[in-house]
Amino acid sequence: DAGVTQSPTHLIKTRGQQVTLRCSPISGHKSVSWYQQVLGQGPQFIFQYYEKEERGRGNFPDRFSARQFPNYSSELNVNALLLGDSALYLCASSRGLSNSPLHFGNGTRLTVT
Amino acid sequence: GENVEQHPSTLSVQEGDSAVIKCTYSDSASNYFPWYKQELGKGPQLIIDIRSNVGEKKDQRIAVTLNKTAKHFSLHITETQPEDSAVYFCAAKVDGGGATNKLIFGTGTLLAVQP
Repeated sequence: DAGVTQSPTHLIKTRGQQVTLRCSPISGHKSVSWYQQVLGQGPQFIFQYYEKEERGRGNFPDRFSARQFPNYSSELNVNALLLGDSALYLCASSRGLSNSPLHFGNGTRLTVT
Repeated sequence: GENVEQHPSTLSVQEGDSAVIKCTYSDSASNYFPWYKQELGKGPQLIIDIRSNVGEKKDQRIAVTLNKTAKHFSLHITETQPEDSAVYFCAAKVDGGGATNKLIFGTGTLLAVQP
């Protein structure tokens, strides 16, 4: 089975622009979570979606938003990009809401100039 | 909120030696502790996990131990091989109100296995 797939793999944007990142979970997984990983640090939780509903939100500004589609894929949107948004954005899927291991994709490397 | 500390930040061992990475957590309500391996240019890969009702778990050359009283858990890799070289992250999940899969990660350990 395919793992978690993310697109695009790399992206360069300018300050003030908006970006949309996409994620397809492992087949059979109903939950998608998004994490931000700044160079040299561990991933930080942004959102979790389960059955198309937001079930958790980390300490990120309202410029970050996400949604989950009926096929369980997900998009992460970031508006009004700042230089500090440059990071690796990771998507993880799990079978259930809270007692299932998280499996990560290879991420989207976002560079804001 | 939960905080996870990880040590050491870098670890260099000779091939065949053992490697130990240690993590401490702050929230006694944490109940799930996974370990991830991240290679350059890739996402974190789950290598082993342990739940709070278990003290130790092994999978071939990898083992994890959990001490709930002291609130720390450790990753043990025996007979290290060059392909074990990567960044390793520990994480903790808090079993609080509002069930989620939110993980709090440590800051990572860069393991280098010298041939």
